[in-house]
Amino acid sequence: EAQVTQNPRYLITVTGKKLTVTCSQNMNHEYMSWYRQDPGLGLRQIYYSMNVEVTDKGDVPEGYKVSRKEKRNFPLILESPSPNQTSLYFCASSLYSSYNEQFFGPGTRLTVL
Amino acid sequence: GQQLNQSPQSMFIQEGEDVSMNCTSSSIFNTWLWYKQDPGEGPVLLIALYKAGELTSNGRLTAQFGITRKDSFLNISASIPSDVGIYFCAGRRTSGNTPLVFGKGTRLSVIA
Repeated sequence: EAQVTQNPRYLITVTGKKLTVTCSQNMNHEYMSWYRQDPGLGLRQIYYSMNVEVTDKGDVPEGYKVSRKEKRNFPLILESPSPNQTSLYFCASSLYSSYNEQFFGPGTRLTVL
Repeated sequence: GQQLNQSPQSMFIQEGEDVSMNCTSSSIFNTWLWYKQDPGEGPVLLIALYKAGELTSNGRLTAQFGITRKDSFLNISASIPSDVGIYFCAGRRTSGNTPLVFGKGTRLSVIA
């Protein structure tokens, strides 16, 4: 089944404790992206990647890192999480960056205490 | 980064009623997309629009790409309980590698 998977789905952590949210897609998509969703603010792009080893900042990249060593995986790294990073995070992928149908993962709800 | 102005923020409607929501921008967009997010899941693409004036349907859903290229509309006819969710508009200002810009969403509740 074609899908985008994220792990973990739920995570509660404490300020400053490094964490990684994994994202994987099995559709051989070139383009992958991370969004955060906050009440009243909609979806905001954190980082995106147009292909392996090619990543770029989105609208809200501060406090986040990403890597794209393999086509299928695009992990989101929070080196030192803070409470303002409490949010619902979505990974998405599409065939190419200009291909409009983005497939979203199921989301990761992160709480930073 | 720019976000789209989406309205209304939320709607409560009776089952069977028609629904309209819209999205506006101060910039011209080349592509308009409408997504639906069910509770606890990621957004799913409903309709994509690529040409000014275009009107596209997907079952009971109809979306239009505004003539000015600065707005788009989504209509749902004869709403049913499973229409509940958050509807997002998204747009792309130019073709190519520009990222999608999302609206803040319209939360739809359907009362049976």
